[in-house]
Amino acid sequence: KQEVTQIPAALSVPEGENLVLNCSFTDSAIYNLQWFRQDPGKGLTSLLLIQSSQREQTSGRLNASLDKSSGRSTLYIAASQPGDSATYLCAVSNSGYALNFGKGTSLLVTP
Amino acid sequence: NAGVTQTPKFQVLKTGQSMTLQCAQDMNHNSMYWYRQDPGMGLRLIYYSASEGTTDKGEVPNGYNVSRLNKREFSLRLESAAPSQTSVYFCASSRDPGDGYTFGSGTRLTVV
Repeated sequence: KQEVTQIPAALSVPEGENLVLNCSFTDSAIYNLQWFRQDPGKGLTSLLLIQSSQREQTSGRLNASLDKSSGRSTLYIAASQPGDSATYLCAVSNSGYALNFGKGTSLLVTP
Repeated sequence: NAGVTQTPKFQVLKTGQSMTLQCAQDMNHNSMYWYRQDPGMGLRLIYYSASEGTTDKGEVPNGYNVSRLNKREFSLRLESAAPSQTSVYFCASSRDPGDGYTFGSGTRLTVV
């Protein structure tokens, strides 16, 4: 069974800092990997999708990388803002259908 | 552009009662999913429908049934609710295998 781990579980940074969120997975035979954002009491918003053949994806201040051989992905957030405060979830698919989620990193960006 | 719509948003049930959670998407997606989210457990897949007319069990299917009514709608039924089914339920959809997911805003269910 695919196990997805996210470190750290919680992170607090001052506004303007660059930060990295980590995701590791046990089965490297993945179809794709997605990063999501979840605000308190809300649903999930897709941030970046990386296919198994890709090494990274970028959207604005966000950059996600994928290293299948080592079972790792990182989400890099540049110039963090208070509005970036949320829980960030990493999810891996081995089939193209079901996603296996990590438990998330809770990010707080302080003004 | 509604995306994925879930109803109801909140529900309180008594143990043993039944109910159906509704989900509809307007993006012409082929695949639909039901997840539950519990503190400390993360999101876990209950059932999914890869395409209209098919359904498959996920990680935690016991106590649930699903119906893919048509391409747009995918419902989740609790036949006899138990306190262990207290959770936040999310419906999601994707166009094709390997495409990104779109999630609904969730249903908060409490079973007392």
